[in-house]
Amino acid sequence: EIVLTQSPATLSLSPGERATLSCRASQSVISYLAWYQQKPGQAPRLLIYDASNRASGIPARFSGSGSGTDFTLTITSLEPDDFAVYYCHQRSNWPTFGQGTRLEIK
Amino acid sequence: QVQLQQWGAGLLKASETLSLTCAVYGGSFSGYYWSWIRQPPGKGLEWIGEINHSGSTNYNPSLKSRVTISGDTSKKQLSLKLTSVTAADTAVYYCARHCSDENCYAFWGQGTTVSVSS
Repeated sequence: EIVLTQSPATLSLSPGERATLSCRASQSVISYLAWYQQKPGQAPRLLIYDASNRASGIPARFSGSGSGTDFTLTITSLEPDDFAVYYCHQRSNWPTFGQGTRLEIK
Repeated sequence: QVQLQQWGAGLLKASETLSLTCAVYGGSFSGYYWSWIRQPPGKGLEWIGEINHSGSTNYNPSLKSRVTISGDTSKKQLSLKLTSVTAADTAVYYCARHCSDENCYAFWGQGTTVSVSS
């Protein structure tokens, strides 16, 4: 099993600030890494796939980078709608998810 | 736009069988991978299993002995059965369609809350 470790667990920022979320894999997942956003009571929404590709309809302020074992989701200039929980996910091996990063309003 | 609509029993007793169905609207069923994913209350996401366009399945090793995923191409429906449920199976269950390259989940159902009482 490939373990995905996300950091930080909670990130407190203000609207307009930049958010940097990290996901580290216990072994290489090449670039088969996706990011999802989940709001309370809703299903997750795909943001980024294959480490750096934005999904359809996702604003340009969301970007992903990394390869191998270290990946980053960056949200430039946070908007009020961006405060949510973010999960990374790999399917290089059998699928696993990170434990999530909660992005909260400071 | 692809939409996934789920339904199934939301309240079970321990040892019963969980049974959920997911219908696909506005898109093809054939040619894609499909998965079931669950989320216990207040916790993260756990992959349950998947079925591909050939009907082959893969399951989470921790659930493999109790899970069956099947697909009906003619009805454009996906099904999940989980036997011998316990309180640990209490969760919101989601169906999801994989991305075209199979390595992510592009579309999700609305989720079905399943509670297991002892």
